[in-house]
Amino acid sequence: EAQVTQNPRYLITVTGKKLTVTCSQNMNHEYMSWYRQDPGLGLRQIYYSMNVEVTDKGDVPEGYKVSRKEKRNFPLILESPSPNQTSLYFCASSFYPLQGTGEQYFGPGTRLTVT
Amino acid sequence: DAKTTQPNSMESNEEEPVHLPCNHSTISGTDYIHWYRQLPSQGPEYVIHGLTSNVNNRMASLAIAEDRKSSTLILHRATLRDAAVYYCIPNAGGTSYGKLTFGQGTILTVHP
Repeated sequence: EAQVTQNPRYLITVTGKKLTVTCSQNMNHEYMSWYRQDPGLGLRQIYYSMNVEVTDKGDVPEGYKVSRKEKRNFPLILESPSPNQTSLYFCASSFYPLQGTGEQYFGPGTRLTVT
Repeated sequence: DAKTTQPNSMESNEEEPVHLPCNHSTISGTDYIHWYRQLPSQGPEYVIHGLTSNVNNRMASLAIAEDRKSSTLILHRATLRDAAVYYCIPNAGGTSYGKLTFGQGTILTVHP
């Protein structure tokens, strides 16, 4: 089954404690990205990657890091989480470029709470 | 990115057709029009996309105006499972080929 998986699904942590949210896809997609979703602000892109070892900032990259060492994995790293990073996070993947193929697949989401 | 305007909310009864409108008057000639939906407590889900011609798939139909400044997502027979937030997203070209810019979307309520 084609899917994007994220782990963990729920995480409560404290300010400053480094954490990693993993994302993996089994569709051989070149493009992967991370979004965060906040009430009233919708979904905003954090980082994206067009292929292995190619990453770039999205609209809200401050406080986040990513890496793309393998095509299937795109972890999101919070080196020093702060309460304003409390949010619902989604990983997504697609073929690149998106336009002709149309479909971007999203993971189930990771709900992060930073206290 | 092209700006979109969608109704904040719409309501429908089960098994009736639903027409969800979207205005995207600043769309460029190479932007595809994508529609996604987000069911409660889930990630966004692809519905359909198109460029100029009307499109059909198993989930919905997409009617695109001749001037491409608006489009309509058509759910032919709404079910309770179709209750979701629906997003109309013109996909920017250039270096943003993969980026989806989500607006506020339309909250669709389906009544039994």
